[in-house]
Amino acid sequence: AQSVTQPDIHITVSEGASLELRCNYSYGATPYLFWYVQSPGQGLQLLLKYFSGDTLVQGIKGFEAEFKRSQSSFNLRKPSVHWSDAAEYFCAVGAGRSGNTPLVFGKGTRLSVIA
Amino acid sequence: EAQVTQNPRYLITVTGKKLTVTCSQNMNHEYMSWYRQDPGLGLRQIYYSMNVEVTDKGDVPEGYKVSRKEKRNFPLILESPSPNQTSLYFCASSFRQGAYGYTFGSGTRLTVV
Repeated sequence: AQSVTQPDIHITVSEGASLELRCNYSYGATPYLFWYVQSPGQGLQLLLKYFSGDTLVQGIKGFEAEFKRSQSSFNLRKPSVHWSDAAEYFCAVGAGRSGNTPLVFGKGTRLSVIA
Repeated sequence: EAQVTQNPRYLITVTGKKLTVTCSQNMNHEYMSWYRQDPGLGLRQIYYSMNVEVTDKGDVPEGYKVSRKEKRNFPLILESPSPNQTSLYFCASSFRQGAYGYTFGSGTRLTVV
């Protein structure tokens, strides 16, 4: 079964600074990988996803993520953080070809943005 | 607009009083699921449904029931709510279980006193 680890529970960055949120997964085959964002009082919104192909994936709101098979990682990045990016971020992994198992979510990383 | 709609958004109830949280999707998705979100525990799956009349337990099914009589609806039923079911609940749907990512509802914040 697949699993996901988000090592950082809470990260604080200054507005305009770069951001990298870490995600490590465990899965024996090629995974499907996702990043979701949850703004306060809202549901989870899909930021980006990786299925196959180019390992650098572009998403909405200026986010990108890079799949590194050798490191079992799928880290989320943004070159310049805006105050509105303050939210909780979840990494998720799904089974590859079969798609017959649920997405497994990490416990989330809360991002605070300071002026 | 493609969406998952949950109702109510907020609910305060008393221990033992049966309640239903509704979930409806307009994307013709086969797969639907319920999660609860608690501080420090992340998202935990309660029940899921692969298609109409097909439901199965997730990681934390105790105290909950679901039904899938039609494709668009997947209600969550708490027959006898208890305070430990105070949580934020999310419904999600997808074309397939794990392959395409999920579309989430806006959440239902339930308080059981």
